Amino acid sequence: GEDVEQSLFLSVREGDSSVINCTYTDSSSTYLYWYKQEPGAGLQLLTYIFSNMDMKQDQRLTVLLNKKDKHLSLRIADTQTGDSAIYFCAESTMGSARQLTFGSGTQLTVLP
Amino acid sequence: TAGITQAPTSQILAAGRSMTLRCTQDMRHNAMYWYRQDLGLGLRLIHYSNTAGTTGKGEVPDGYSVSRANTDDFPLTLASAVPSQTSVYFCASSVDSTSNTEAFFGQGTRLTVV
Repeated sequence: GEDVEQSLFLSVREGDSSVINCTYTDSSSTYLYWYKQEPGAGLQLLTYIFSNMDMKQDQRLTVLLNKKDKHLSLRIADTQTGDSAIYFCAESTMGSARQLTFGSGTQLTVLP
Repeated sequence: TAGITQAPTSQILAAGRSMTLRCTQDMRHNAMYWYRQDLGLGLRLIHYSNTAGTTGKGEVPDGYSVSRANTDDFPLTLASAVPSQTSVYFCASSVDSTSNTEAFFGQGTRLTVV
């Protein structure tokens, strides 16, 4: 079946850029998502990218997609302490929330 | 706007007991979902409902049941809890289940089965 993998932890200094990486196995993935989970809260959709795109930028967030290598990354510029959270990569073949496959999540810690 | 609300926030439950996790949304979304979140495994879909009156099994449905009597409510029941059901449970909803619409998540219910 489908598999989405992420590293579990990432630490960065405040003001630096963070890059969170994700790999997936399903070549028919159509939509790829990044969700943010703050402590004690549910998941919040940050951004998504359609599989025919290479890059998507939204303010401090840049998503890069290498479809050949099935590699997705989320770059957060000028990382702030408020960015500390768990970031989940997810994929869906049909763009349906019912068919989301999540990675294990990456715990981002921003150090002062 | 409340969005999607889960209750209780946390619960300690004796093995063998039953429990219902509540989920209510006020966005008039057709589709609702239950996930469990376990360390190192991400979120896994337990059950879903495409619309009121219908439900379906997700990736890990065993030991759980759901009902969808109306649009707003989607309770998850554990008939006889076991320790492996210790997890954080998230309810989510989306406008529908067939297109690229955002899923909105509740704040989660932390369940410990002892």
